[in-house]
Amino acid sequence: AQSVTQLDSQVPVFEEAPVELRCNYSSSVSVYLFWYVQYPNQGLQLLLKYLSGSTLVKGINGFEAEFNKSQTSFHLRKPSVHISDTAEYFCAVTALGSARQLTFGSGTQLTVLP
Amino acid sequence: DAGVTQSPTHLIKTRGQQVTLRCSPKSGHDTVSWYQQALGQGPQFIFQYYEEEERQRGNFPDRFSGHQFPNYSSELNVNALLLGDSALYLCASSLRGSSYNSPLHFGNGTRLTVT
Repeated sequence: AQSVTQLDSQVPVFEEAPVELRCNYSSSVSVYLFWYVQYPNQGLQLLLKYLSGSTLVKGINGFEAEFNKSQTSFHLRKPSVHISDTAEYFCAVTALGSARQLTFGSGTQLTVLP
Repeated sequence: DAGVTQSPTHLIKTRGQQVTLRCSPKSGHDTVSWYQQALGQGPQFIFQYYEEEERQRGNFPDRFSGHQFPNYSSELNVNALLLGDSALYLCASSLRGSSYNSPLHFGNGTRLTVT
């Protein structure tokens, strides 16, 4: 089985400042890793994913994440945030071959302050 | 091209009642998964349907059941509702056998409140 820990439940940051949202996972098998964003009263939108290859992956809206196998982490970063980035962010994992059964973390609320 | 659509958007039920939620997958998708997202938590996998059969199931009691129709749409049924069933229920669709380069598509969810 897999598990995901998002270390910060809330992250306030000023507009144009950098941000890092932390994610650690646990699994006895190889996994794929994802970050999703959820805006109020909406479903989940995929920001980026790590499947294989380069450990630095770039996603939509200027976000990027780095897979660190030795530290079992997949932290999300953005060099300069905007008010519109205010949302809930979820880290998720799935075991290879598990046919899209995702295990999510509890989420991090990112609030961008003017 | 319509994405994943769910109905209704909001629902209020009383303890002990039964509820049915509906999902139409994105055009071209044949697999539907259901997730429960309690307030302040991440989504939890309930089950997945493909070819009108339940293929995978998460750690949910038998009160949670589902169905998939020949047109790939799906229903989630919850019997004997408990207060703890109050949550946002998300439907996600995908194409069976596609690689993870083809992402899951989520609907906006149905907000169920049990009183």
